[in-house]
Amino acid sequence: DAKTTQPNSMESNEEEPVHLPCNHSTISGTDYIHWYRQLPSQGPEYVIHGLTSNVNNRMASLAIAEDRKSSTLILHRATLRDAAVYYCILSTQYNNNDMRFGAGTRLTVKP
Amino acid sequence: DGGITQSPKYLFRKEGQNVTLSCEQNLNHDAMYWYRQDPGQGLRLIYYSQIVNDFQKGDIAEGYSVSREKKESFPLTVTSAQKNPTAFYLCASRTGGGNTIYFGEGSWLTVV
Repeated sequence: DAKTTQPNSMESNEEEPVHLPCNHSTISGTDYIHWYRQLPSQGPEYVIHGLTSNVNNRMASLAIAEDRKSSTLILHRATLRDAAVYYCILSTQYNNNDMRFGAGTRLTVKP
Repeated sequence: DGGITQSPKYLFRKEGQNVTLSCEQNLNHDAMYWYRQDPGQGLRLIYYSQIVNDFQKGDIAEGYSVSREKKESFPLTVTSAQKNPTAFYLCASRTGGGNTIYFGEGSWLTVV
């Protein structure tokens, strides 16, 4: 079973910020938090990942709670191209472990 | 260019036939994965391999088989024992733990 919990769906208006939550209450000290997104009929693509500190890249920001039991993916200005399914997963630091994805959050962006 | 190549993109199979989906990567990654995705659903792990000649079952391995004879290749066979094989199949790979997982473009399998 996936070790993360996400809402099934969310909606956003174009050019507004979007905050996608993820709960991972059983996270261990060596687990990285990864976010991927999947456009229709494509394989998922990497968005961002982090361990303890907040992270920023050209696509998004990742805010990690102090206790690491939850995180939030932030899209600063949603565009129609950001409409996708977003997956939050945990990845152990030292092993090529099984990578289990949950159902993710389906983001709809309204013009 | 480096990446993961899945073939074929579209495949039709008659009931009772086995079919093999190819997955090749030139990223020099140790770990490789196979996922199944049904319409409107998330990804479910079928099998994964951490190194050559080793692989482990995921959540839905029944009716599937894999091999890992070479680091670059991780083919998936959908056997006739798989009751409902029509789905989108995704192959992925990644290097040492904690790093990004890369996906292929997927293969659509339809049983007719």
